[in-house]
Amino acid sequence: KAGVTQTPRYLIKTRGQQVTLSCSPISGHRSVSWYQQTPGQGLQFLFEYFSETQRNKGNFPGRFSGRQFSNSRSEMNVSTLELGDSALYLCASSSRTGGGETQYFGPGTRLLVL
Amino acid sequence: AQSVTQLDSHVSVSEGTPVLLRCNYSSSYSPSLFWYVQHPNKGLQLLLKYTSAATLVKGINGFEAEFKKSETSFHLTKPSAHMSDAAEYFCVVSFSGSARQLTFGSGTQLTVLP
Repeated sequence: KAGVTQTPRYLIKTRGQQVTLSCSPISGHRSVSWYQQTPGQGLQFLFEYFSETQRNKGNFPGRFSGRQFSNSRSEMNVSTLELGDSALYLCASSSRTGGGETQYFGPGTRLLVL
Repeated sequence: AQSVTQLDSHVSVSEGTPVLLRCNYSSSYSPSLFWYVQHPNKGLQLLLKYTSAATLVKGINGFEAEFKKSETSFHLTKPSAHMSDAAEYFCVVSFSGSARQLTFGSGTQLTVLP
């Protein structure tokens, strides 16, 4: 099976702009989670979608939003970009097996805000 | 409060010597526990996970971890380090009863010396 894919891999934006990142989960996975990774804050949970519904949300401002489509692909959007939004954004999809649920991560989208 | 702490931000070992990366968690109940590895400019790869079936968990690439409830620890070990093990390692916990919302430790950077 193909892994989690994220597009684009790299992105440069300026303050005040908005950005949309895309994530395609592993085939058959219905849950998609998003994380932000920065040197200062480490890895932080943004939100999780399952069957087109947001089920969990981390402690981020409303500028960060997401959605999931019927094919389980997900997008996250950041509006009114700030310098501090520069980060690696990781998407993960999960499956449930007899051993519990496991998240598989994509390679990430590296966002630079100038 | 629930948290996960990686006790060392940097660990340096010589090739062929044992590796020990330490992780402690704080939780009012038994969480789900994982170790992930991140190579430079790459996404996160699952090394192993604790599923409560056995306290000693074996993962990929010769890594293993032991869950010790009395010590609230989940340390990662490998008998013999290889140059390719140089990477950042994250101890990861799910406190929500779901592995879809993960809490990451601050990471341990492993350096392997020739």
